[in-house]
Amino acid sequence: ETGVTQSPTHLIKTRGQQVTLRCSSQSGHNTVSWYQQALGQGPQFIFQYYREEENGRGNFPPRFSGLQFPNYSSELNVNALELDDSALYLCASSFGQNEQFFGPGTRLTVL
Amino acid sequence: SQQGEEDPQALSIQEGENATMNCSYKTSINNLQWYRQNSGRGLVHLILIRSNEREKHSGRLRVTLDTSKKSSSLLITASRAADTASYFCATRGSARQLTFGSGTQLTVLP
Repeated sequence: ETGVTQSPTHLIKTRGQQVTLRCSSQSGHNTVSWYQQALGQGPQFIFQYYREEENGRGNFPPRFSGLQFPNYSSELNVNALELDDSALYLCASSFGQNEQFFGPGTRLTVL
Repeated sequence: SQQGEEDPQALSIQEGENATMNCSYKTSINNLQWYRQNSGRGLVHLILIRSNEREKHSGRLRVTLDTSKKSSSLLITASRAADTASYFCATRGSARQLTFGSGTQLTVLP
């Protein structure tokens, strides 16, 4: 166990809806990174938050947005869901750019 | 896009045998890391090797890095059924994110 928790574990949404995924970082960590992992693929970087500011972004459209709170927990929001958004969403916490510790993920299914 | 590619995509061996997985990447890196993932769950960090290192050991794991060839290998010795998982290499360059390969699915048969 890494101490990084994510909720919910599973989620089913329909196309066009909006979803919010949550991540609690490990104690002492101030940085949260979010990744999308499609079935059979490696994780792809969505964005990173450091001290409540976005600190790097991958090749994802603006309908993917996030927040980091003063306690360093984080949310990932996805608007106007598409079928291709179905994936495992992983968050990872770290202290700065040190080793990242991953949570168990949220499995999102878009119908 | 994926930075690295693991080879092979799938590997099946008998318990007690050694397993070797390879990773190639495209751009310069600060470090390369290997992760394990069981059945679509979270990633577990195995080992990190810096760009100025050539080899690193951790228990039954041995990682090599050849920056001239932009490649790395992960060797798991004396494999066990519990080693069955997907293994990913991930690189960190000047950017803040980890860039993952597509993974090797390892199956260790009892």
